[in-house]
Amino acid sequence: QEKVQQSPESLIVPEGAMVSLNCSFSDSASQSIWWYQQHPGKGPKALISIFSNGNKKEGRLTVYLNRASLHVSLHIKDSQPSDSAVYLCAVSMSLPGTGSNRLTFGKGTKFSLIP
Amino acid sequence: EAAVTQSPRNKVTVTGGNVTLSCRQTNSHNYMYWYRQDTGHGLRLIHYSYGAGNLQIGDVPDGYKATRTTQEDFFLLLELASPSQTSLYFCASSDAKDWGYAEQFFGPGTRLTVL
Repeated sequence: QEKVQQSPESLIVPEGAMVSLNCSFSDSASQSIWWYQQHPGKGPKALISIFSNGNKKEGRLTVYLNRASLHVSLHIKDSQPSDSAVYLCAVSMSLPGTGSNRLTFGKGTKFSLIP
Repeated sequence: EAAVTQSPRNKVTVTGGNVTLSCRQTNSHNYMYWYRQDTGHGLRLIHYSYGAGNLQIGDVPDGYKATRTTQEDFFLLLELASPSQTSLYFCASSDAKDWGYAEQFFGPGTRLTVL
C-alpha cells in the first residue's frame, strides 16, 4: 500500500515569507500528486496537482516533482494570513477497471503565520 | 464548483448505537468516497463507489457499511458504534472523465462522538 510522509509536521513563519513543504511517497507507479489545503472546520480543497517530473507554477504556488527520488515539494511565495491552514499531500493511484483513481494522504503539515 | 453536502454536521451516540451519515453531491460525479480523519493518522479511505448500487472496500472498512442509492447519495452506516469510531468523517466525489487525475471534492465533514 502506498505510503505518504510529510515534513515538517508544523511550521510558523512571518507574513511575506516563502514556505516550503515536503512530501515523499513509496510507489513510483503513482499517477499524480495533489496538494490539498484544509482550514479549521472545513473539508480539504485541492490547490494544485502535478504528474510529470519537473515543476508547475500557479500564482504564488510552485510544486516540484522528482519521480526518481519519490519526492514532491510545495512552495508558497509571499505567504498571507489566508494561507494559514493544514496542507495535505495526496498521491493518486488508478483503480483498476473503474476508470478513476484513489488518493492516499499524508498526515499533513500545519502552517501558521507569526501573529 | 462541485458541491458536496453532509448531514448531520455533528452527532453524538452511545456505544452500540446505530448511526447513519449522509452525503449528497449535485455535480453528476460517478465516484464517491468516505474518509475518516484522525490526529496522527490523517485521512483514511473507508469505502468508495463508482455508481449507484456499487460498493468498494477501502483501507479501514471494519465496522462500517455503505450504500449508494443513487448517483447523488452515498451513506455510511455504523450499526454497532464503538468509541474507536469517534472521528471526523468526510465524503468526497470525483468525475470519471479525467481518468487517474480526477480532483476529489470534499464535503464539510461530520464530527461523530461515540460515548
